[in-house]
Amino acid sequence: AQSVAQPEDQVNVAEGNPLTVKCTYSVSGNPYLFWYVQYPNRGLQFLLKYITGDNLVKGSYGFEAEFNKSQTSFHLKKPSALVSDSALYFCAVRDGGAFGNEKLTFGTGTRLTIIP
Amino acid sequence: DAGVTQSPTHLIKTRGQQVTLRCSPISGHKSVSWYQQVLGQGPQFIFQYYEKEERGRGNFPDRFSARQFPNYSSELNVNALLLGDSALYLCASSLTGLNLYNEQFFGPGTRLTVL
Repeated sequence: AQSVAQPEDQVNVAEGNPLTVKCTYSVSGNPYLFWYVQYPNRGLQFLLKYITGDNLVKGSYGFEAEFNKSQTSFHLKKPSALVSDSALYFCAVRDGGAFGNEKLTFGTGTRLTIIP
Repeated sequence: DAGVTQSPTHLIKTRGQQVTLRCSPISGHKSVSWYQQVLGQGPQFIFQYYEKEERGRGNFPDRFSARQFPNYSSELNVNALLLGDSALYLCASSLTGLNLYNEQFFGPGTRLTVL
């Protein structure tokens, strides 16, 4: 069974500082990893994904994520935080060994607050 | 182009009633998935449909059912509603249902409240 853990319910960062939102995963096959962001009363918005290749993935709005196979982690990062980055962030995994459906397994989410 | 659309936006039902939620995928997308997001939790996978066939089913009771129409839109039905069914129901579409690399694009959701 596939699973995702987001160990921090809440992350607070000062505006302009770098931010990191942590994610670890567990799958039986190759991992396909995704980050989504959710703003209040909105659906999920895709940020970036890791399929294969370079361990550093660049996505929307200046976000990037680093895939680490040995630590089974996929942490979301941004060099300089903006107040508008404040939102709920979800990490998700799809098991590459589970051919036939696109089921995503999500973490419990991390609420990111950028302090002006 | 319009994104994924869902209707209604909000819905209030009482225990024991039945509800139907609707989803229209992005134009050209043939796969639709449904997720349930309970307050304070991440979305939980309910169903995936591709080309009108069920491709995946999550750990939900038989009270939950879905279907996909020839125009790729989809309906999620929940019978005999329980208080615990109160949640945000999200619909997501993707280009195909078989490509593990595709990201899913989510609609704004339907907020269901069961009293």
